[in-house]
Amino acid sequence: GAVVSQHPSRVICKSGTSVKIECRSLDFQATTMFWYRQFPKQSLMLMATSNEGSKATYEQGVEKDKFLINHASLTLSTLTVTSAHPEDSSFYICSARIGIDTQYFGPGTRLTVL
Amino acid sequence: GENVEQHPSTLSVQEGDSAVIKCTYSDSASNYFPWYKQELGKGPQLIIDIRSNVGEKKDQRIAVTLNKTAKHFSLHITETQPEDSAVYFCAARGFGNEKLTFGTGTRLTIIP
Repeated sequence: GAVVSQHPSRVICKSGTSVKIECRSLDFQATTMFWYRQFPKQSLMLMATSNEGSKATYEQGVEKDKFLINHASLTLSTLTVTSAHPEDSSFYICSARIGIDTQYFGPGTRLTVL
Repeated sequence: GENVEQHPSTLSVQEGDSAVIKCTYSDSASNYFPWYKQELGKGPQLIIDIRSNVGEKKDQRIAVTLNKTAKHFSLHITETQPEDSAVYFCAARGFGNEKLTFGTGTRLTIIP
């Protein structure tokens, strides 16, 4: 299957700082990428849909000014958690879409905000 | 919008036996149904998918069946092995919708 990478895999930051997470499609181009958040022992919660060259579409309840998404190229999307607080601690996972529906996921980024 | 229910939430199976996980969906227009396997601390891995024009698909020990009339689809794993232990998620994509709606997950444990 297609390969999607995320960087970093783990990050620990102080409250009030910003953190950037990168999502790359390594062997294919992805017009559309998705960002998910996953709490322990729960399902994946879609945060936003990222389309190359346009503004991201955020799900209801997700603050777009707090979770900044940029999809500047066909192989890279970034999620920036601004002014992070302990409640933002979570497992963030991106996916990239091939064709009209198949999504391949990255390995995830564990964010811990102290 | 689409709603996907998944059962059971936990499943323990003796090594070598079969495991079956079931999902139901609400949107009759949904036409794409993938299954993902997620190991602890990792991202979900696509293991098999099926589209609405097909009733069954098989890949080695894994198979998925789809009943469009009843709006349910199932994952079948035969000859289970310890490495099959993981959380499995089903998902559905509605027609004209970019998003996948996920089930709540099934924690599968293979007992050696």
